[in-house]
Amino acid sequence: KNQVEQSPQSLIILEGKNCTLQCNYTVSPFSNLRWYKQDTGRGPVSLTIMTFSENTKSNGRYTATLDADTKQSSLHITASQLSDSASYICVVRAEGAGSYQLTFGKGTKLSVIP
Amino acid sequence: DGGITQSPKYLFRKEGQNVTLSCEQNLNHDAMYWYRQDPGQGLRLIYYSQIVNDFQKGDIAEGYSVSREKKESFPLTVTSAQKNPTAFYLCASSINFPGELFFGEGSRLTVL
Repeated sequence: KNQVEQSPQSLIILEGKNCTLQCNYTVSPFSNLRWYKQDTGRGPVSLTIMTFSENTKSNGRYTATLDADTKQSSLHITASQLSDSASYICVVRAEGAGSYQLTFGKGTKLSVIP
Repeated sequence: DGGITQSPKYLFRKEGQNVTLSCEQNLNHDAMYWYRQDPGQGLRLIYYSQIVNDFQKGDIAEGYSVSREKKESFPLTVTSAQKNPTAFYLCASSINFPGELFFGEGSRLTVL
């Protein structure tokens, strides 16, 4: 069964500090992995998408890494801001012509405090 | 501006009543989707539509119905057959199928 596990479940950090969120998956065959940011009561917004051949991808203060061999991804947030407080969702797509196979993680809830 | 509009933002319903959630997109996307989000759980797919006049059941379609008569619109009806309808509902679209998802702002349904 395809699964996506995210850790930690929740995290509290001080403004200005860095943090790393983890995503482990068992989805196979792998197509791509996406990180979304979801503010409370809002829809998710895409941060980055990574394919099999990509190891690192940055989007401003967000840097995602992918290790397809160990089936792990991380999202690193640098110099956190109060506006980074949100849930971060890891989503993995399975390969398959004509199919729709997205597996969502439960998310990591990040709270950035002054 | 292009985007996905869901309405209403908040909705209260009595048990036994059907309710319809609206989803409209002006992105000219072919594919549209409905997800349900519950606390502590990942998003779950209710229905999806690859193209107008066509739709398929997702993982939790029981108690829900959809239509796709226009490219821009993909309304979701939560019927009285849905045993636990209180949830946050998200509509999404993608330029083609399957593709990167763009989400609406969500509709929160509460059954009293």
